[in-house]
Amino acid sequence: DAKTTQPTSMDCAEGRAANLPCNHSTISGNEYVYWYRQIHSQGPQYIIHGLKNNETNEMASLIITEDRKSSTLILPHATLRDTAVYYCIVISNTGNQFYFGTGTSLTVIP
Amino acid sequence: GAGVSQSPSNKVTEKGKDVELRCDPISGHTALYWYRQRLGQGLEFLIYFQGNSAPDKSGLPSDRFSAERTGESVSTLTIQRTQQEDSAVYLCASSRGGGITQYFGPGTRLLVL
Repeated sequence: DAKTTQPTSMDCAEGRAANLPCNHSTISGNEYVYWYRQIHSQGPQYIIHGLKNNETNEMASLIITEDRKSSTLILPHATLRDTAVYYCIVISNTGNQFYFGTGTSLTVIP
Repeated sequence: GAGVSQSPSNKVTEKGKDVELRCDPISGHTALYWYRQRLGQGLEFLIYFQGNSAPDKSGLPSDRFSAERTGESVSTLTIQRTQQEDSAVYLCASSRGGGITQYFGPGTRLLVL
């Protein structure tokens, strides 16, 4: 499975959009991009996933570049409750393991 | 329906003792995963069950670690002769199949004294 690279930490002002980047330059054609987040002392929570097209749900938007070598998770109006570690993972649809790196620690500032 | 549940939520044990951690996956989910998360670190894959297939044990760190699953339901992770470095949060996740969205439990926080 491809590996991902994320910044260690980011800050975002409350009410602003939080844009979290992820590089996955070795991604292959059948691998999906998944995003999870982990709020302190809780289990990881699924956010969104995509293959090629941009995706949007009630939590976030996922923008995947045309070459699929990077993606951005967008939280359109960050709240204090969005403070968490955000993990970007790539996995094939036949893969059986999710390799979580250390993720990006997002702090939403009042 | 209900999410993934794990028990106990917290476990304190003495070095050398055995511990059993339980995971109840979401009903109907054929795949079940165990992960370990040490303080301040990312998730570390331990073991994966999918239906009646042989489990993928490639992530188990030593032969002190083992896991069982009864059909497509409850799973138990057992750590024998616990060591202080086993202290971590142990997370269980389930999914409808391999390689798709996983839903995580709240974890069991294990402290080995």
